[in-house]
Amino acid sequence: KAGVTQTPRYLIKTRGQQVTLSCSPISGHRSVSWYQQTPGQGLQFLFEYFSETQRNKGNFPGRFSGRQFSNSRSEMNVSTLELGDSALYLCASSLSRGFSTGELFFGEGSRLTVL
Amino acid sequence: QKEVEQNSGPLSVPEGAIASLNCTYSDRGSQSFFWYRQYSGKSPELIMFIYSNGDKEDGRFTAQLNKASQYVSLLIRDSQPSDSATYLCALSNSGYALNFGKGTSLLVTP
Repeated sequence: KAGVTQTPRYLIKTRGQQVTLSCSPISGHRSVSWYQQTPGQGLQFLFEYFSETQRNKGNFPGRFSGRQFSNSRSEMNVSTLELGDSALYLCASSLSRGFSTGELFFGEGSRLTVL
Repeated sequence: QKEVEQNSGPLSVPEGAIASLNCTYSDRGSQSFFWYRQYSGKSPELIMFIYSNGDKEDGRFTAQLNKASQYVSLLIRDSQPSDSATYLCALSNSGYALNFGKGTSLLVTP
């Protein structure tokens, strides 16, 4: 059974550009969440999607956005990149909403460097 | 103040010893508690979750939860060098988003 797949794995952008990251959840998983990981702040929740709708959003500026498609694949977009956006962006999927089973599976992440 | 506090470490223990990792939290509404392990350059992987006060054992791992004192801990018995990693404490009060601590680095020395 394939895990959570994130693309691209590594990318370098310059300030002011935008970036789109992709996440394919485990087959059958309908909930997709995104997290940002930095050495200073650790892992921080960005947003969660379920049935193509954003259900929850973390404390990030509007430059961070996302969407989910009918096949549960998700993308997140960061516009007008800033140096502080350099981070590992992790996508996680789960079978359904909530943590009744505690199973949240993470992908390997997309490492973004902003120059 | 971050909601989930962990000692950053590194915590160094000899092989075969018990490693004790601690986490305190501020949100009394937290209902679900998790321990993730993250190897360098890898993504977090779930080790255990606990919802009720007390102990929960799974193999060499034991999670302990005390909601009154607002702490959750992870004990690793018979520590192995392969256990060397960063251990992330996470909790949720909403059921849909996890609040993570910054993690404790564990080093198990042969």
